[in-house]
Amino acid sequence: IVLTQSPGTLSLSPGEGATLSCRASQSVSGGFLAWYQQRPGQAPRLLIYAASSRATGIPDRFSGSGSGTDFTLTISRLEPEDFAVYYCQQYVSSPLTFGGGTKVEIK
Amino acid sequence: QVQLQESGPGLVRPSQTLSLTCSVSGDSSNSDDYYWGWIRQPPGKGLEWIGYSSNSGRYYYNPSLKSRLIMSEGTTNNQFSLMLSSVTSADTAVYYCARASGSRGYYGFFQQWGQGTLVTVSS
Repeated sequence: IVLTQSPGTLSLSPGEGATLSCRASQSVSGGFLAWYQQRPGQAPRLLIYAASSRATGIPDRFSGSGSGTDFTLTISRLEPEDFAVYYCQQYVSSPLTFGGGTKVEIK
Repeated sequence: QVQLQESGPGLVRPSQTLSLTCSVSGDSSNSDDYYWGWIRQPPGKGLEWIGYSSNSGRYYYNPSLKSRLIMSEGTTNNQFSLMLSSVTSADTAVYYCARASGSRGYYGFFQQWGQGTLVTVSS
């Protein structure tokens, strides 16, 4: 399953909201899709699993939604630490695959 | 809180075998609930799943790497290993080990990660 993320780069200001898209080449049945945040020089951090479940310790300004082939990660109000690269990943079928990433940068 | 740490050579010659070990420490309760795997990231690029294993000893490999890949349990408890043969410059990447959790019988979202180790393939 190929995952295509858009946009490639999102330029926003702190306090603004962000909407990141992940589109799958075929249905991710059951919504077995995760989202990760990666800051420079760090390992990815799990934000969302099963399309909409927040991982332990993740602030509620992060939310996930979607089903089938279209999924969305929403950040309601950007904090300075949220400027990073975000990846989606499906785990419904092997090989597990990641999207190419969306970079959220400070405008 | 479980912690993972990769170890192994930072430089591998072309055509040789890349070998890495992941050491796991911390909370090992309910270990049957998790899979243990590897993900890599070439410099400046995205993430690629390499493979993972269940605690029942079943291994799942990325087909793009399967012919060169062997994953196994480590030589001591709380370790697991990766060997990738016939490496080229395309295998230069940060290699992460990670613990995969599951829901409703589907395992594969990675909740805990090692810090990653850069492996460079060069003569």
